[in-house]
Amino acid sequence: KNEVEQSPQNLTAQEGEFITINCSYSVGISALHWLQQHPGGGIVSLFMLSSGKKKHGRLIATINIQEKHSSLHITASHPRDSAVYICAVEKDSYNTDKLIFGTGTRLQVFP
Amino acid sequence: DAGITQSPRHKVTETGTPVTLRCHQTENHRYMYWYRQDPGHGLRLIHYSYGVKDTDKGEVSDGYSVSRSKTEDFLLTLESATSSQTSVYFCAISDYSGSPLHFGNGTRLTVT
Repeated sequence: KNEVEQSPQNLTAQEGEFITINCSYSVGISALHWLQQHPGGGIVSLFMLSSGKKKHGRLIATINIQEKHSSLHITASHPRDSAVYICAVEKDSYNTDKLIFGTGTRLQVFP
Repeated sequence: DAGITQSPRHKVTETGTPVTLRCHQTENHRYMYWYRQDPGHGLRLIHYSYGVKDTDKGEVSDGYSVSRSKTEDFLLTLESATSSQTSVYFCAISDYSGSPLHFGNGTRLTVT
């Protein structure tokens, strides 16, 4: 079993819908990252969080340390949000070299 | 966007040949990483560097070597490429361990 599991693997939505992508992990962590991989392949860091919630524009990331679970929400989704969203967790004390990545959730938003 | 350039962007090579991928940064970040991305797997760490001439192995380091002679350049070498090393390779940088990563655009390597 992977230490980081994302669900769903694939997600389609109509423009304007509220999107939720989930990440569950089975190890102790110091932080969790959400990344976005564009269709062209480039990867962008969206959030890094260790507790609570963070918001940037239409994106919201939450984490529940006790339940070992994080969610990424997209409000008012748009076709340009179509991408692969990747969750990664840092084992140990804030060591980026200890990142474990999920396999990603592929999101397609249709007009 | 963080200044990270990977070269080449695409490469096709034959089994047994040596290959070197280059990652160049203009951010003066201390940490540099090489990952590979394969279908069905998350990004996996090959090697990383925490300073000039300071490198360490990652999860999938067999068959790869790295060098960092300058802060801005991190080279990944496949001494004798194999078909199992066909992959997309990403370089990433971070200012300090535990800070967000900034990724290059990737190098698609095909070993025939």
